[in-house]
Amino acid sequence: QVQLVQSGAEVKKPGASVKVSCKASGYTFSTYTIHWVRQAPGQRLEWMGWINAGDGVTQYSQKFQDRVTITRDTSASTAYMQLSGLRSGDTAVYYCAREVGFTFGRFDFWGQGTLVTVSS
Amino acid sequence: DIKMTQSPSSLSASVGDRVTITCRASQGISTYLNWYQQKPGKAPKLLIYATSNLHTGVPSRFSGSGSGADFALTINSLQPEDFATYYCQQSSTTAWTFGQGTKVEIK
Repeated sequence: QVQLVQSGAEVKKPGASVKVSCKASGYTFSTYTIHWVRQAPGQRLEWMGWINAGDGVTQYSQKFQDRVTITRDTSASTAYMQLSGLRSGDTAVYYCAREVGFTFGRFDFWGQGTLVTVSS
Repeated sequence: DIKMTQSPSSLSASVGDRVTITCRASQGISTYLNWYQQKPGKAPKLLIYATSNLHTGVPSRFSGSGSGADFALTINSLQPEDFATYYCQQSSTTAWTFGQGTKVEIK
């Protein structure tokens, strides 16, 4: 069965960076695109970007363009999201999600979420 | 980026009620519109994709409609497990965006 398992909670100081991992299983990792979505406490879901796990092509939200880097390791079936220049407003649960559907893309499987807390 | 606006932001309803949530895009997105359900502390779950297609395993009391910029999610005969927050999401462009969510609470 398809699973996306994320790394554990992180506590970071302002200005630091965080790298969250998302390990995929139950399907051929390189044939799908992985997205990252975050949710601040009590807030809406916020799309951050995606990576084509096959060719490594990425696209980022304009909001995070300068601070986010999404990578993947196909040998480990794992995608990574690194966010730099952390500030208190980055405190959120970060999710990875698999995109399915060649024409009408949607997220069919999600990771369990990783809480990142930014605090001095 | 395309802005998605849902209404209402929250609503109270009773078990058995019919509930409709609307979603408006800031520009036309054809039928590239998905709906998700999220319960507290959990990841969202896909309900409907491409405006009106039910995801595998989703009960038939959920339905979606619309095109262009205006969309709706309808839940017929609301069940206790349906009390949650619902999000629309567009995949018309390579930069995907979500609505702000609609919380469905028990009256």
